[in-house]
Amino acid sequence: EVQLVESGGGLVKPGGSLRLSCAASGLIFTNAWMSWVRQAPGKGLEWVGRMKSKAGGGTADYATPVEGRFTMSRDDSKGTLYLQMNSLSTEDTAMYYCTTDRVQLWRGNYYYYGMDVWGQGTTVTVSS
Amino acid sequence: QSVLTQPPSVSAAPGQKVTISCSGSSSNIGNNYVSWYLQLPGTAPKVLIYDSDKRPSGIPDRFSGSKSGTSATLGITGLQTGDEADYYCGTWDSSLSFWVFGGGTKLTVL
Repeated sequence: EVQLVESGGGLVKPGGSLRLSCAASGLIFTNAWMSWVRQAPGKGLEWVGRMKSKAGGGTADYATPVEGRFTMSRDDSKGTLYLQMNSLSTEDTAMYYCTTDRVQLWRGNYYYYGMDVWGQGTTVTVSS
Repeated sequence: QSVLTQPPSVSAAPGQKVTISCSGSSSNIGNNYVSWYLQLPGTAPKVLIYDSDKRPSGIPDRFSGSKSGTSATLGITGLQTGDEADYYCGTWDSSLSFWVFGGGTKLTVL
């Protein structure tokens, strides 16, 4: 069974930084495409970004509101995904979920189906 | 304002059927795979449907998905009070080059 455990959330002042971690188990992490999704209090889901497996290119894509401020990385040897968040604002206050993504490799092409297994989330509060 | 449009709320009686719509455009639903997610109160979301109409293992066949043109639909039959939750559609947007979600639909089982 795939399990994802997020950590690193907390209270930070506007303009500050925070690094979230997502420890994955029950899967071959090297092959996993992963995403971060956030949910502000009382609001809907907002995709933050995804990171492809190294075989898939190893690159990251980001949503416009976080591009240039947030950086995803991964340590395949530890089965861990990271989200470095800089220049935080109150609008970044949310529950942050880590997900595995469903991807199919067929005839040399990757077909991306979106988020699959979700972690329980870690709360980030940006406030002075 | 979400790129994908869902009704804010739907309701139906126990045992009945309900559908939730998700409207987009050719840059998202029209040319990409749609997923549906269920979020029970106070819990993390869970995938119900992927590739527009496929159910992951463990998801009962009371849940179904379909897509036509630039719209997708989630159907739920045999409604139970435990189905009361928020439902979200999502897909890749090729113009924006990122994943987009609908605003979510709150299902009430009367």
